[in-house]
Amino acid sequence: EADIYQTPRYLVIGTGKKITLECSQTMGHDKMYWYQQDPGMELHLIHYSYGVNSTEKGDLSSESTVSRIRTEHFPLTLESARPSHTSQYLCASSDGGLNQPQHFGDGTRLSIL
Amino acid sequence: AQSVTQPDIHITVSEGASLELRCNYSYGATPYLFWYVQSPGQGLQLLLKYFSGDTLVQGIKGFEAEFKRSQSSFNLRKPSVHWSDAAEYFCAVAPEGFQKLVFGTGTRLLVSP
Repeated sequence: EADIYQTPRYLVIGTGKKITLECSQTMGHDKMYWYQQDPGMELHLIHYSYGVNSTEKGDLSSESTVSRIRTEHFPLTLESARPSHTSQYLCASSDGGLNQPQHFGDGTRLSIL
Repeated sequence: AQSVTQPDIHITVSEGASLELRCNYSYGATPYLFWYVQSPGQGLQLLLKYFSGDTLVQGIKGFEAEFKRSQSSFNLRKPSVHWSDAAEYFCAVAPEGFQKLVFGTGTRLLVSP
């Protein structure tokens, strides 16, 4: 089973701050993903990566950016947080072919005041 | 438009009763299909997946799901619900050729004593 870690679990911060949400996985998975989930709603893909130095925007437009310098690490950054960024952010990873499921971290619940 | 539909927002069942959660998808070809469960404050855990072959698939925690091509459905079932099954359940599809998941809006399961 994949081990995937997200930090922080909860973050409450003021408007205008720069935020980085961390995501790391220890299984050597090539593919990593970021989803945004509002309370009681479905998950929306905002970023994904198929390997080092590969990043793509997902289906939901987001002001956040991502980087993939190392296989195990896929941080998400908001340069200037706004209340509209308040949400839960879930990171996932997968390996192998199309039939390999995604493994999820526990998420970061972000609140922008 | 391609979509995943979970028509039930909330379902309440008595402990020990049977459960069926509905999921319908609209894609041209048969996509890869998944059911995930999300407990409060947690990430998503994979319950089961379907790619091909036997249309009845077994998952963890006593869950099973049946793929019906004629109905474009992938309903989740459990013969006897336990109080610990109370959670949010998400159906997801990976359109053939892609590994990006598209999620339904989720069904919140409540278990009454």
